[in-house]
Amino acid sequence: EIVLTQSPGTLSLSPGERAILTCRASRPVPGNSFAWYQQKPGQAPRLLIYGTSSRATGIPARFSGSGSGTDFTLTIASLEPEDSAVYFCLHCVGLPCTFGQGTKLEI
Amino acid sequence: QVHLVQSGLDLKWPGASVTISCRASGYIFSAFGLNWVRQAPGGGLEWMGWISPSNGRTGVAQKFQGKVTLTADKSTSTAYMEVRSLVSDDTAVYYCARDFAQSSVGLPAYWGQGSQVSVS
Repeated sequence: EIVLTQSPGTLSLSPGERAILTCRASRPVPGNSFAWYQQKPGQAPRLLIYGTSSRATGIPARFSGSGSGTDFTLTIASLEPEDSAVYFCLHCVGLPCTFGQGTKLEI
Repeated sequence: QVHLVQSGLDLKWPGASVTISCRASGYIFSAFGLNWVRQAPGGGLEWMGWISPSNGRTGVAQKFQGKVTLTADKSTSTAYMEVRSLVSDDTAVYYCARDFAQSSVGLPAYWGQGSQVSVS
């Protein structure tokens, strides 16, 4: 089973700065199997990015995803205060699926 | 639009079982897979399993095999997850989430509101 390790655990940045969140897989995975989610307190997760780099419907262009093999990145350009949340990566090719442990982003 | 409504708070004794429901609307229920994900208090997301409502095919994470049963009732557009032999570590919010696309197996995109299960 694939293990996903996210870093950093917590990231504290200011509005307007750029955030780079990473997710490393324990072995190479297909790019079409990789996704990113945002979760705010008391809310269900929200799909941000799927297939490594495709933005889900309604997701602002400041969110972008990239990566291949074992290393994947979520970049948030020009942070807004509402981007404060926990971000999770997900790998799913066939089954089972696996989430990373999350990165808390503080603005 | 896609809407998933889950059952409410459940308080259980250790050793008991719980069945959580997830009623879908706004799309063709049998056309998309459904995932189950849980989140312990203050914890991360844990993918538990997936079901295809069209044929009942399931996939369950190894950790939950033998503990979890997934079913789906096409006549009521409702999916169910039974969790057995509850222990305190099963205290969590349990989410159902529909797949992003018909072709995507296990990519949760549309989430229910969550069902709180407390074991004590």
